[in-house]
Amino acid sequence: DIVLTQSPASLAVSLGQRATISCRASESVDSYGNSFMHWYQQKPGQPPKLLIYRASNLESGIPARFSGSGSRTDFTLTINPVEADDVATYYCQQSNEDPYTFGGGTKLEIK
Amino acid sequence: QVQLQQSGAELARPGASVKLSCKASGYTFTSYWMQWVKQRPGQGLEWIGAIYPGDGDTRYTQKFKGKATLTADKSSSTAYMQLSSLASEDSAVYYCARYYYGSSDAMDYWGQGTSVTVSS
Repeated sequence: DIVLTQSPASLAVSLGQRATISCRASESVDSYGNSFMHWYQQKPGQPPKLLIYRASNLESGIPARFSGSGSRTDFTLTINPVEADDVATYYCQQSNEDPYTFGGGTKLEIK
Repeated sequence: QVQLQQSGAELARPGASVKLSCKASGYTFTSYWMQWVKQRPGQGLEWIGAIYPGDGDTRYTQKFKGKATLTADKSSSTAYMQLSSLASEDSAVYYCARYYYGSSDAMDYWGQGTSVTVSS
């Protein structure tokens, strides 16, 4: 199974500043010229919401403050600028190979 | 609009089974994989498996083989997950999510979740 390691586990950022979350895969999640890495946001009591698909594509309706980058085994989710509504836990997930594993999550708080 | 409506909370005894449902609307049910994800209280997300309602093809992560059984009813556009031999570690929220293969290749719509509590 592909293991996804997120860092940091928690993050406190001031309003208006940049938040950067990393996700490292134990093996490449690239195939056919695409990186099958996705990012989700989950707020307490709610299901996850898709933010970024295939590493860098913004899901419809998601603010452009969210962006994703990376390839093969190293990926990054950036939120810039951070707003109060962004307080949540963020997960990476790969769909290159089943089982479709998730990272352990990164909890974002406001400083 | 795409909606996934999951069944209500379950309270079950250890050793029992439960069958959760996920009713899809707003899209062609048979053309998308349906994924199932587990989340224990205060914990992260865990992929259980998936079913393709078009032909009934299923995938399971090794840990859930024998624990979860995925089925789908095309006539009612409903996906099901049966959990058997329940134990305390099965207490969790279970989500269904549509997987958009060939486009985003991600889980783009999620149900609201079904809480399962296993207790004697």
